[in-house]
Amino acid sequence: EEQLVESGGGLIQPGRSLRLSCTVSGFTFGDYAMHWVRQAPGKGLEWVSGITSDGGIQGYADSVQGRFIISRDNAKNSLFLQMSGLRAEDTALYYCARDVSVRITMIVGWGQGTLVTVSS
Amino acid sequence: DIQMTQSPSSLSASVGDRVIITCQASQDIRKYLNWYQQKPGKAPKLLIYDASNLETGVPSRFTGGGSGTDFTFNITSLQPEDFATYYCQQYHDLPLTFGGGSKVETK
Repeated sequence: EEQLVESGGGLIQPGRSLRLSCTVSGFTFGDYAMHWVRQAPGKGLEWVSGITSDGGIQGYADSVQGRFIISRDNAKNSLFLQMSGLRAEDTALYYCARDVSVRITMIVGWGQGTLVTVSS
Repeated sequence: DIQMTQSPSSLSASVGDRVIITCQASQDIRKYLNWYQQKPGKAPKLLIYDASNLETGVPSRFTGGGSGTDFTFNITSLQPEDFATYYCQQYHDLPLTFGGGSKVETK
């Protein structure tokens, strides 16, 4: 069974940094692009970032470009999101998600999310 | 960035009704358009990919169509388990973008 488990969320002050992690099992991690998608409380889905299966291409939403960095370690079946310069508007449930292909296209597998709250 | 505009943002319907949701892209995205369903407290689920292809295991009452900038999502006969929020998403260009969502509520 495919599993994606996020960790690293929590309460953080504005301007600080936080690193999210996602550990997967049940599929060959290195065969798929991966994503971070977030959802602010009571709001819609927002794609945050994605990375191709080999890590060669990363994409970011405008709202996080220059502040967030996505990376992956295929040997450790792990995806990361380094978040810096956090703002109140980054408060959201952050989902780790798997693409259907090696490229950044569509999402077919989701974790349960980790909550990030940015507040003083 | 490509903007995705969904309508309506919410609608009230009854079991057995036909539901239609539209999604408009700010530029031509060919058929690079997906539809997701999200129920409260749950992660989203892919229903339709490439505008009109049904994901494996998804009931055939869900259909999608369109190309270019205008897309539709249909539920031919609404079932109790279909009350949820639906999102479109384009992957023609990075960054990927979602529509604002369409919440289907019980009338």
